[in-house]
Amino acid sequence: AQKITQTQPGMFVQEKEAVTLDCTYDTSDPSYGLFWYKQPSSGEMIFLIYQGSYDQQNATEGRYSLNFQKARKSANLVISASQLGDSAMYFCAMSGSGGYQKVTFGTGTKLQVIP
Amino acid sequence: EADIYQTPRYLVIGTGKKITLECSQTMGHDKMYWYQQDPGMELHLIHYSYGVNSTEKGDLSSESTVSRIRTEHFPLTLESARPSHTSQYLCASGMVGGHEQFFGPGTRLTVL
Repeated sequence: AQKITQTQPGMFVQEKEAVTLDCTYDTSDPSYGLFWYKQPSSGEMIFLIYQGSYDQQNATEGRYSLNFQKARKSANLVISASQLGDSAMYFCAMSGSGGYQKVTFGTGTKLQVIP
Repeated sequence: EADIYQTPRYLVIGTGKKITLECSQTMGHDKMYWYQQDPGMELHLIHYSYGVNSTEKGDLSSESTVSRIRTEHFPLTLESARPSHTSQYLCASGMVGGHEQFFGPGTRLTVL
């Protein structure tokens, strides 16, 4: 079974500052994927970044980077140079191996960017 | 760019009514999913499909049913809506072997 834990229900960050959103996971699969999604107040889910368990380097997408520490089973999202538009819910998720894997989501972190 | 559509976006309906939430995708994805999400809470998988005529129940028990007669279409039906069904319903799709799930805009359902 897969489990995702996000321990920060809410966070504040000053505009232009960097922020780290925590995510830890648990799985018995030797191969898995880790994701982050952003959900603005409008409700849609926006894919941000993906990290494969065998990827040697941490994933980066623009201002988003995933700090993957396999031994600690953590996959934290780092947002650099925060913008007001970054205010949203952020969900960490994981999928198992195989082509028909399901995705398990965490409980989310609400990020608010302060001007 | 992902093309996955959900209708209606908002629905307010009385108790006991039958409703169908529509979800369509134009990407030819075999995998499709329905999630239920209360405001500010996590997503719960309620149904999924890995292809035509394939449907499975998800991790969260739901009184809804789904069908997958065509690859692009994955409707969700509630035979008799109740206030406890009030929630947001998100549809998603993905490629076999792919990692990303593409989400639709969601349907916000309110049952009075």
